[in-house]
Amino acid sequence: RKEVEQDPGPFNVPEGATVAFNCTYSNSASQSFFWYRQDCRKEPKLLMSVYSSGNEDGRFTAQLNRASQYISLLIRDSKLSDSATYLCVVNLGYQLIWGAGTKLIIKP
Amino acid sequence: ETGVTQTPRHLVMGMTNKKSLKCEQHLGHNAMYWYKQSAKKPLELMFVYNFKEQTENNSVPSRFSPECPNSSHLFLHLHTLQPEDSALYLCASSSGLAGVTPYNEQFFGPGTRLTVL
Repeated sequence: RKEVEQDPGPFNVPEGATVAFNCTYSNSASQSFFWYRQDCRKEPKLLMSVYSSGNEDGRFTAQLNRASQYISLLIRDSKLSDSATYLCVVNLGYQLIWGAGTKLIIKP
Repeated sequence: ETGVTQTPRHLVMGMTNKKSLKCEQHLGHNAMYWYKQSAKKPLELMFVYNFKEQTENNSVPSRFSPECPNSSHLFLHLHTLQPEDSALYLCASSSGLAGVTPYNEQFFGPGTRLTVL
C-alpha cells in the first residue's frame, strides 16, 4: 500500500458544481497535512494546511478523519480557475510524504 | 510570483554533458530542498539543506551532486545522466525544516524541465 494515495482523476466537473476528493494515508502517526495545488507546467503552491479536524478557507474545505486515515478537499461553486492538480502532503514529523495528485478539470 | 527562482527553466543535455541547475530564494529561509517530479508520480525528495548543512540525501545516484554555498543559494550539478533522469526538478525553501516543524509551508521555484537525450 502506498503511503499516500490519491485518485489520479481527472475529475471533470461543470462550473459551479461542488467537487470533493480524498487522500488516504497509511501511517497513523501522521502529524499534519497539507493540500497543494499545481497548475499545468507550474510549481506546487500551498492551498491549505489541515489542522486537528479540518480547515475552511472560502470555497475550500479540508477535513481530516484520523480514524479512517484520510483527508478530503471539498470545493464549492467551482470556477474555471480551479482546474489544476491537487497534491496531498502528509507530515510524519520527520519527513513529508507527497501524493501523486488528483487532476481536476472544470468545464464551462 | 514566488520568492524562489530557478535557472535554467529548460535544459536539454546529452548523457556525457555536465550541467548545473541553480536555485535562489529571497525569502530569508533557512531550509532548501531539491525535488524530482516525473509525470504522474509523487514528488521525490532528493536533498535537504538546513542552514547550509545537508541533512538528507534520499539515496540519490552520485551523478547528482548538490551544493549549498549559503542559505539563499542551492545548486544541483549534473553529470553523465541517463534518459530516465528526464523530469521536472523543483527547488523549494521553508523557514523551518519541513517535515519536522508541523506547519512549515514550502515555497517552490518554477522548476527546471530537464531532458536527457
